[in-house]
Amino acid sequence: AQSVTQLDSQVPVFEEAPVELRCNYSSSVSVYLFWYVQYPNQGLQLLLKYLSGSTLVKGINGFEAEFNKSQTSFHLRKPSVHISDTAEYFCAVSRTTLGGATNKLIFGTGTLLAVQP
Amino acid sequence: DVKVTQSSRYLVKRTGEKVFLECVQDMDHENMFWYRQDPGLGLRLIYFSYDVKMKEKGDIPEGYSVSREKKERFSLILESASTNQTSMYLCASSGGTNEKLFFGSGTQLSVL
Repeated sequence: AQSVTQLDSQVPVFEEAPVELRCNYSSSVSVYLFWYVQYPNQGLQLLLKYLSGSTLVKGINGFEAEFNKSQTSFHLRKPSVHISDTAEYFCAVSRTTLGGATNKLIFGTGTLLAVQP
Repeated sequence: DVKVTQSSRYLVKRTGEKVFLECVQDMDHENMFWYRQDPGLGLRLIYFSYDVKMKEKGDIPEGYSVSREKKERFSLILESASTNQTSMYLCASSGGTNEKLFFGSGTQLSVL
């Protein structure tokens, strides 16, 4: 069975500073990893995903994430944040069975990124 | 622009009522999902549908049922609402395995 851990429930950061949101996963099979963002009063939208290939994945709004198999991590980074990046960020892993990847995602508990001026 | 529309943004119901949450997508997606979102717990899958009239239980199906009579519409039913079902409910759809999920804006349900 797969699982996802987001250790930081909140990350405060000043505008234009870099940020890293941590995500660790647990799986005995190949994984497919995702980051979603939820702006206030909205549904979630996809930031980026890792399915295979290059371990550095670039997403929308200047975010990127690095898949690290040895550390079972998929941390999200941005070199310089804006006030508008204030949102909740969810890491997710695709639930995989013996038949392969399924359509069902397992989400982490979320990290609230609070960007201060 | 692609859209997943949830019928109500806020809903207040009484304990024991039968509650219907409606979700419509306009992308001709096969897959539709209902999640509930609670602080500190993230999103948990209630039910999943991969085709019309086809459904699978998610991680927390107890107290819920679903209906998918048409491809574009996926309804979540609370047979007898209880206070522990007070939550944010999110509907989503996708076109295939590992395709991105499109989410609705959510329905904040309060059961009193």
